[in-house]
Amino acid sequence: DGGITQSPKYLFRKEGQNVTLSCEQNLNHDAMYWYRQDPGQGLRLIYYSQIVNDFQKGDIAEGYSVSREKKESFPLTVTSAQKNPTAFYLCASRPGQPNYGYTFGSGTRLTVV
Amino acid sequence: KQEVTQIPAALSVPEGENLVLNCSFTDSAIYNLQWFRQDPGKGLTSLLLIQSSQREQTSGRLNASLDKSSGRSTLYIAASQPGDSATYLCAVRPGTGGFKTIFGAGTRLFVKA
Repeated sequence: DGGITQSPKYLFRKEGQNVTLSCEQNLNHDAMYWYRQDPGQGLRLIYYSQIVNDFQKGDIAEGYSVSREKKESFPLTVTSAQKNPTAFYLCASRPGQPNYGYTFGSGTRLTVV
Repeated sequence: KQEVTQIPAALSVPEGENLVLNCSFTDSAIYNLQWFRQDPGKGLTSLLLIQSSQREQTSGRLNASLDKSSGRSTLYIAASQPGDSATYLCAVRPGTGGFKTIFGAGTRLFVKA
């Protein structure tokens, strides 16, 4: 079945450490997105990519980095510069045409220890 | 700037009741509006996608309507069940201004058995 796979489901980060969250899709979607979700808040866009080898900053990109070397993959690195990284991270994808909706992964919960 | 509001933030109803969840948006220039369901600690599951040219979409016990002129969408759930308990989010894809879909903060629904 086609879908989006996020891994790991749970991730723990020590102070000063970089961690990478994986997002893989086999839907042949052009666009991929990373969102952050905090309790009681809506989704906030971190980064998005509309095609391979291209990506743009979202509303809260500081302290995060991404790459899009393959159409299927859009990993997110949470760097030590992100001072409050504890959150639920969601990856999504959609076809390139604007009238299509989103498909989301199951999320990664990141906790700073 | 497009803003999306969902009221109420939380709702509790007895099993079997028909209910309506509301989503308001400030700019009527949209491509589409998508309703999602999110269970605790999980990703978002797409329920219904309404294009800007459509007035409603139906799937099983769910019916979503769209009134662009008033900036409103409703999600109608018929004969609610305890399994419907979840957070419901709406997302608006603007018709102008780029690729940033705007998400509401969601309505947390609890259906009592």
